[in-house]
Amino acid sequence: AQKVTQAQTEISVVEKEDVTLDCVYETRDTTYYLFWYKQPPSGELVFLIRRNSFDEQNEISGRYSWNFQKSTSSFNFTITASQVVDSAVYFCALSTSGTYKYIFGTGTRLKVLA
Amino acid sequence: SQTIHQWPATLVQPVGSPLSLECTVEGTSNPNLYWYRQAAGRGLQLLFYSVGIGQISSEVPQNLSASRPQDRQFILSSKKLLLSDSGFYLCAWSQRTTEQYFGPGTRLTVT
Repeated sequence: AQKVTQAQTEISVVEKEDVTLDCVYETRDTTYYLFWYKQPPSGELVFLIRRNSFDEQNEISGRYSWNFQKSTSSFNFTITASQVVDSAVYFCALSTSGTYKYIFGTGTRLKVLA
Repeated sequence: SQTIHQWPATLVQPVGSPLSLECTVEGTSNPNLYWYRQAAGRGLQLLFYSVGIGQISSEVPQNLSASRPQDRQFILSSKKLLLSDSGFYLCAWSQRTTEQYFGPGTRLTVT
């Protein structure tokens, strides 16, 4: 069975703090893809990153960084020096080779307080 | 560049009335298309997906249906809305197993 778990329902931080959003996935497939999306209050989901199962290299994009560890089946997302504009719901998702469907986690609501 | 449109942006409909939500994609051909529903404060539920014209796969049995009359057009319909159909409806497209790109969504309130 395939599953994505985002155990943190809601996180509140003060601006400029670093915050890590956890994502744990389950799949028996050896080829799969992991994604992170941001859903701001406007509602539209914004694609942030895709990582395939053969690429465990961590990635940094500005204040965002992602840590992919196959040994723990995790794909965590860290925001450095958080800002109020980072307040949103963040979703982690999984898809496997040969399917067109995503398995979404339940999302983590991040509140960044000024 | 690719663009995805959804309309209407908001909709208030009485119980038992019909529904038609439209999604169109520009700037790509033969995309995979998806309809999701998000209930208030909840995650995303995949309703339908399509890999080509006239090809619809349903994920959840319910009173909704989907159609794909043209390559880049995806329509979500209902003959009679239920209160439980209220939610935020998102359309998305992708090219095979690449990332999905989402539209702005339609907020549906069934009264």
